[in-house]
Amino acid sequence: ETGVTQTPRHLVMGMTNKKSLKCEQHLGHNAMYWYKQSAKKPLELMFVYSLEERVENNSVPSRFSPECPNSSHLFLHLHTLQPEDSALYLCASSQVRAGADTQYFGPGTRLTVL
Amino acid sequence: GQNIDQPTEMTATEGAIVQINCTYQTSGFNGLFWYQQHAGEAPTFLSYNVLDGLEEKGRFSSFLSRSKGYSYLLLKELQMKDSASYLCAVDGGSYIPTFGRGTSLIVHP
Repeated sequence: ETGVTQTPRHLVMGMTNKKSLKCEQHLGHNAMYWYKQSAKKPLELMFVYSLEERVENNSVPSRFSPECPNSSHLFLHLHTLQPEDSALYLCASSQVRAGADTQYFGPGTRLTVL
Repeated sequence: GQNIDQPTEMTATEGAIVQINCTYQTSGFNGLFWYQQHAGEAPTFLSYNVLDGLEEKGRFSSFLSRSKGYSYLLLKELQMKDSASYLCAVDGGSYIPTFGRGTSLIVHP
């Protein structure tokens, strides 16, 4: 399999559930990202793992918890979410080097919180 | 902070040319990206500009003026499949791009 893959593609969960989103990149990149995409809003960067360091957007609630066990895998653990967290969650990867990096996106997980 | 502005929606006719503008204010600059995103799909990379001028790639071209904080994406010989959202993203010095809201392009016959 090539590129960036994400599972599941669709997820419906209640506010008391705990679930995890998975992302895997097959491009040999050394940075991975989680984005949230809501209707009519810009892509919102949630977390970055780059060269084994984590960078996060301080506005992301603690009910979202990332995990990056190695450079090819990225998880987003979800617990006690709110209905406003319903959105498309996109994973991306890139090869960090001097200068801006092109990001390659996975197909996304469409999350609905009831 | 960083601010990226692009029109919300544009319409054009099949076979025509359309220009999608993007203006930005950032503290630094490492480059500007354009991505295409079809409904329900992931964004895909179209172009990257770091120097002033025009970069041409088939039917798509991207222009950058760093002094004006301005870029545009030019789409020629429009096809129905070009109907999509076009995202402008700027690396303002952190090596992590900030995305604009996207421009929804509707191509009609």
